[in-house]
Amino acid sequence: NAGVTQTPKFRVLKTGQSMTLLCAQDMNHEYMYWYRQDPGMGLRLIHYSVGEGTTAKGEVPDGYNVSRLKKQNFLLGLESAAPSQTSVYFCASRPHGETYEQYFGPGTRLTVT
Amino acid sequence: AQTVTQSQPEMSVQEAETVTLSCTYDTSESDYYLFWYKQPPSRQMILVIRQEAYKQQNATENRFSVNFQKAAKSFSLKISDSQLGDAAMYFCAYRNYGGATNKLIFGTGTLLAVQP
Repeated sequence: NAGVTQTPKFRVLKTGQSMTLLCAQDMNHEYMYWYRQDPGMGLRLIHYSVGEGTTAKGEVPDGYNVSRLKKQNFLLGLESAAPSQTSVYFCASRPHGETYEQYFGPGTRLTVT
Repeated sequence: AQTVTQSQPEMSVQEAETVTLSCTYDTSESDYYLFWYKQPPSRQMILVIRQEAYKQQNATENRFSVNFQKAAKSFSLKISDSQLGDAAMYFCAYRNYGGATNKLIFGTGTLLAVQP
């Protein structure tokens, strides 16, 4: 099992450009999450999904869109990147059930200039 | 809304010594989970230990143990016999029991340095 993978690992964008971050998991997990990590602020939830075809907003959703067309993939889109979106982005997944913890991907470092 | 507070931005410990990282949280729920995650320089988030609020016994995983004080809403992590590989950012996290979302709420982290 590869676990949770994220593509790309690094990216530099110019203000106004768009891009999509891909998260893939091969563990057949129902729930998937996108977080951003900024210095001194821990991880904050952007969007999440409780199943294929469903998404919901998290704590900091503005400027991002997501889609989960397939159970194993969770895409995070930036339509018009801004310098405030410079961050490290983490994807996580977990199976349905109370006691299961989240499994995290390796992160994507995004810089918007 | 639930919150998690880590009041120690940085800590340092000598190799083989013991260190305790602090975490407090705020919630009106009675059933929940608490976690400690480790983030080494590789950025990978690694689950260190988990505590269910309904369990009175403190969780232990090898050299890692917690002191869970439910009434005080405190959840500290003790690392015994510290090793160089323990150097990392440590995050305390909270999750409600039940519900489809099961969102994790993170503290701001404590950067642990291990001195040889």
